[in-house]
Amino acid sequence: DTGVSQDPRHKITKRGQNVTFRCDPISEHNRLYWYRQTLGQGPEFLTYFQNEAQLEKSRLLSDRFSAERPKGSFSTLEIQRTEQGDSAMYLCASSLVGAMGEAFFGQGTRLTVV
Amino acid sequence: GENVEQHPSTLSVQEGDSAVIKCTYSDSASNYFPWYKQELGKRPQLIIDIRSNVGEKKDQRIAVTLNKTAKHFSLHITETQPEDSAVYFCAANSKTSYDKVIFGPGTSLSVIP
Repeated sequence: DTGVSQDPRHKITKRGQNVTFRCDPISEHNRLYWYRQTLGQGPEFLTYFQNEAQLEKSRLLSDRFSAERPKGSFSTLEIQRTEQGDSAMYLCASSLVGAMGEAFFGQGTRLTVV
Repeated sequence: GENVEQHPSTLSVQEGDSAVIKCTYSDSASNYFPWYKQELGKRPQLIIDIRSNVGEKKDQRIAVTLNKTAKHFSLHITETQPEDSAVYFCAANSKTSYDKVIFGPGTSLSVIP
């Protein structure tokens, strides 16, 4: 599969634990996005990268969330001290910069905080 | 800040009828407007997009129209089929923020056989 892949697909964690998700974008794509989606809502922007540079982080995102893309390829999203309100689908997408082209989404990681 | 609104939130149509979903955006500099379809349990997938240098674009049974003056755009699906049932999201890029894509809240479309 040469599309965007995310790991794990599902994660159940206890409140207060830290979790880390991984996204592998399409290899030639230099933009990588993280979105969060809750039931019945559209994808909510979290942060995004152009190559290894983090261009923007949503003002809605607490300091418990951090993302990296160290070599401009895969990215990780970490949530520290998880809360029940963090339960959601975390989607990663990638695209080519400047092309205003299609952003391809991964299958997502569904997080459940119990 | 940037915002994309979408209406209606739910829409039911009889098979064969048309469906129309409308969106408005706040950033007057936005120039790229994609539409995504998300089936239950699956990832969002692009179905059509429009750029601000055109007012309408068609692809088989799907068409999008854009009114830049009014800052609204619409998705039209003709001759609906049961497999069109899904959640549809409109989106717009934010020129004030590195072209990030902002999504609307979605429209759940049900096509009744």
